[in-house]
Formats: sequence, structure tokens, C-alpha cells
Amino acid sequence: QGQLVESGGGVVQPGRSLRLSCAASGFIFSGYAMHWVRQAPGKGLEWVAFISYDGSNIYYADSVKGRFSISRDNSKNTLYLQMNSLRTEDTAVYYCARVYAPGNDAFDIWGLGTMVTVSS
Amino acid sequence: DIQMTQSPSTLSASVGDRVTITCRASQSISSWLAWYQQKPGKAPKFLIYKASSLESGVPPRFSGSGSGTEFTLTISSLQPDDFATYYCQHYNSFPVTFGQGTKVEIK
Repeated sequence: QGQLVESGGGVVQPGRSLRLSCAASGFIFSGYAMHWVRQAPGKGLEWVAFISYDGSNIYYADSVKGRFSISRDNSKNTLYLQMNSLRTEDTAVYYCARVYAPGNDAFDIWGLGTMVTVSS
Repeated sequence: DIQMTQSPSTLSASVGDRVTITCRASQSISSWLAWYQQKPGKAPKFLIYKASSLESGVPPRFSGSGSGTEFTLTISSLQPDDFATYYCQHYNSFPVTFGQGTKVEIK
């Protein structure tokens, strides 16, 4: 069915950078678009970024545009989220999620999440 | 951006109850709507896509309906494992947005 495992979270000071990774297994990673979604403590789900199966199409939430960068390495079955100029409001659990199918962009597989804490 | 509004925010129910959660979109999203279930400390679980299509392996007591701007998630007979928070999400266009969540708690 497939599995996603995020890594790279931690505690970081405001203004610093962090790179998250999402390792995919059990499916043909290069055939699927992917998303990052985050959830602040005690809050709801917030979409962060999207990348198409081949990296040719990318979209960001306004809240992270210009600071975050999504990318993928299909040879390594890995999705990335480079987070720069971090703010306290970026504190959240970050999930990677797979797109269900081309033209049907629900999120069918989610990782377990990795916690990012931005604090001085 | 398309706003998604769920109601109620919290719902108290008993095992065996029929439960309905409503999700409204600020503009038409056709049937591009998904539902997820999330338990504390866990990742969301995919339940329904295209407003009414049940994901494989999801119990048939879950059902979705609606199109355009108004959608519902119904649990026909609430089971102990169903106490959780439920989110709707549109994927009609970017940015994708989620509803604020509906917590289903034990009455």
C-alpha cells in the first residue's frame, strides 16, 4: 500500500533554517504528486506545499511562500521541504502526504509526522 | 481562496447513534472534497474522496454526500473506534484548504 516516513524535525531558533525529508516506500514514488501539510499544537490541518510527480509544478501556501521550498529526488524516493527564515508560528507537526491519483488530488497516504519547534 | 466551514465544531454522541457532520465551501468545488479522521497524536486517515467515494478498507457505516458548496459526512451507527476529529478538505484548486474540524466525543 505504501509508507511515508518524515524526518529532520527539531528545535530551531527564529530566523534559522531546517530541512525536512519524507522517505517513501512500497509504491512507485516517481508516479505520484506529493504535499506537505502541517498542524500547529492543538490546531487544525494547514496545507503547506505541493509538487507534481516530476517536480514541474509547485504551489505554496501564502504563509510560507518565499521562505519554504519543496523538492523531490525520485532516484532516492524522497520528498523534501527546505524551511528558511523560520518563525514561531511555523511551530507544528509536519506531514508529507501522497496524492491519491492523477486528477483526484485527495491525500490517501500520510506519514507519521515530524515536529518542528521554532523558539528562542 | 476557498474557505471550508464545518459544523458543528463539537458533537456529543453515544455508541449506535447516527451522526452527521456538515461542510460548506465558500464557492462551488463540484465534488472535489475529501474527508479525514484524526485521533490524538496520530496522522489523519483518509476516508472519502470525490465527496461520496469510500476509500478501500473504510467501514461502510461511513458515507459522504453533496456537491457544489454543501457536503455531509454521515456515520450510520457510531462505534467506539469512531470517536475522533473529522476534517473536510477541498482540492478543487490551489490553495487546498481544510475545514476547522469536528470533534466527535462520547456523550
